[in-house]
Amino acid sequence: DAGVTQSPTHLIKTRGQQVTLRCSPKSGHDTVSWYQQALGQGPQFIFQYYEEEERQRGNFPDRFSGHQFPNYSSELNVNALLLGDSALYLCASSHRSGKRTQYFGPGTRLLVL
Amino acid sequence: ELKVEQNPLFLSMQEGKNYTIYCNYSTTSDRLYWYRQDPGKSLESLFVLLSNGAVKQEGRLMASLDTKARLSTLHITAAVHDLSATYFCAVDPNAGKSTFGDGTTLTVKP
Repeated sequence: DAGVTQSPTHLIKTRGQQVTLRCSPKSGHDTVSWYQQALGQGPQFIFQYYEEEERQRGNFPDRFSGHQFPNYSSELNVNALLLGDSALYLCASSHRSGKRTQYFGPGTRLLVL
Repeated sequence: ELKVEQNPLFLSMQEGKNYTIYCNYSTTSDRLYWYRQDPGKSLESLFVLLSNGAVKQEGRLMASLDTKARLSTLHITAAVHDLSATYFCAVDPNAGKSTFGDGTTLTVKP
């Protein structure tokens, strides 16, 4: 049973560029949530996708956008990168019915120079 | 706005000793998680606490939840070096929108 997978594992970008991160949920899960974890801090909720729509959103600017595909995989896009966007980006998957237990992927570490 | 506070933020323990990490939260929630994170790694789920009075134990770790006090504890018994990590609690009142504490970095020394 494959767990949550994310790609790429590491990424280096420069200010102003755009980046796309990818996530495949755990088998049987249909909901994907994205979190940003800055160094030394707890993860911060970015948004959640279910049925290919954004369902909940945290306090992140519109530069952060996402998408969910029919196979439940998801992308996180960040435009006009800032130095402060450097962080570990975590994807978590869950099932909308019942348990809501989240399983986290290994993360993508983004460095903005 | 939901707030989750953990204390202490840093904890240095000797092997064999006991200690408790506290997690307070500001809004009613029917679900509280505890996670472990090793340096440079992702989050590993330790416990899911679903109701008032819930207690779960795994090895040297035991977690409890008091929803009336909006308090969860993670108790460490007879600490060993392998428990050194950062521990997060997270509250999830909105089905997948978890709010995390700042984490407790635990160092267990011989």
